[in-house]
Amino acid sequence: GQQVMQIPQYQHVQEGEDFTTYCNSSTTLSNIQWYKQRPGGHPVFLIQLVKSGEVKKQKRLTFQFGEAKKNSSLHITATQTTDVGTYFCAGLNTGTASKLTFGTGTRLQVTL
Amino acid sequence: NAGVTQTPKFRVLKTGQSMTLLCAQDMNHEYMYWYRQDPGMGLRLIHYSVGEGTTAKGEVPDGYNVSRLKKQNFLLGLESAAPSQTSVYFCASSSTGGRYEQYFGPGTRLTVT
Repeated sequence: GQQVMQIPQYQHVQEGEDFTTYCNSSTTLSNIQWYKQRPGGHPVFLIQLVKSGEVKKQKRLTFQFGEAKKNSSLHITATQTTDVGTYFCAGLNTGTASKLTFGTGTRLQVTL
Repeated sequence: NAGVTQTPKFRVLKTGQSMTLLCAQDMNHEYMYWYRQDPGMGLRLIHYSVGEGTTAKGEVPDGYNVSRLKKQNFLLGLESAAPSQTSVYFCASSSTGGRYEQYFGPGTRLTVT
């Protein structure tokens, strides 16, 4: 079955440093979504990427979808303590009734 | 607008006991899902539903059953709980029409002793 891997599993940065998490799928995706889960909370949708090579920005967050639609990345510029949490990518294949396959997640810790 | 709600929030079961987790959404979404989340393993799909009266198996369906008798509710049942089912369970819903973003409930933390 489809597998979605994320690296790193964990990253600890100092506030102000940049952070990147990478997502790789074993199969070509129709789109990819990113979610954030704060400690003790539930996943919250951040963004969806659909087109090959697509780049989207949300303030300090930059999301990219690879040309082959098998990989994606999330880059945070100048992290803040409010960025703490686990970031998940989730891949969607068409014809699967919007079933997402979630990556294993990257836990981000930010200290002052 | 409550979004997605789950009951109960916490539960401790003994091995062999049964229970039902309830998920409700007020967004008129067609699709609903049950996931379990274990440390280091992300979210794994247990069962899902594409509409009232329909259910289908996900990635890890063994030991669980579901029902969707009403569009707004999705029930997850454990007939005979096992310690391996200790986890955090999340329900989610999404609409049709191409956007597919999923809205999650607050989760149920289940411990089986």
